[in-house]
Amino acid sequence: DIQMTQSPSSLSASVGDRVTITCRASQSISRYLNWYQQKPGKAPKLLIYAASSLQSGVPSTFSGSGSGTDFTLTISSLQPEDFASYYCQQSYSTPRTFGQGTKVEIK
Amino acid sequence: QVQLVESGGGVLQPGRTLRLSCAASGFTFSSYGMHWVRQAPGKGLEWVAAIWYDGSNEYYADSVKGRFTISRDNSKNTLYLQMNSLRAEDTAVYYCARDSHPSGGMDYWGQGTLVTVSS
Repeated sequence: DIQMTQSPSSLSASVGDRVTITCRASQSISRYLNWYQQKPGKAPKLLIYAASSLQSGVPSTFSGSGSGTDFTLTISSLQPEDFASYYCQQSYSTPRTFGQGTKVEIK
Repeated sequence: QVQLVESGGGVLQPGRTLRLSCAASGFTFSSYGMHWVRQAPGKGLEWVAAIWYDGSNEYYADSVKGRFTISRDNSKNTLYLQMNSLRAEDTAVYYCARDSHPSGGMDYWGQGTLVTVSS
């Protein structure tokens, strides 16, 4: 099974900050990497698919990069509605493993 | 608009059986693979199972293999998860999600249904 490791597990940031979350796969997954946002009590929402493609309706302040084993989710200017948990997930093979999540909190 | 609505969750004792349903609307259900994903209280997301658009292939997490069965009825636009021999560690919110082939991202999710396994 492919293991997905996110870092950090949590971070504190202010509105307007640039935030970067990293995700590392235990083996190469090409660009089969997706990012999700989840707010408390809500279902996850797809933000980025295929490592860098922005899902329809997602603000352009979100971007993704990487290939192989190392990936990054960047929020260029953190907005109040961006305080949430973020998960990476590989879709290269089954089981479709998720990272453990990164909680973005208000500083 | 695309809608996924889960049902069937509840409170039950270890060893019992439960079937979850996910009613799909707003898209051609028979053209999409589907997933079940769960989230234990206060924990992260765990992929549970997936099924191809035509039901011809199924995949499971090791934690549920042999106990859970994913299935679908394309004539009813409904996805199912049959859960047998339930354990306390199966306690979670269960989400169904649509697979956005070919990227494999899950582009639409239901609201989730809570399954609590407790004696």
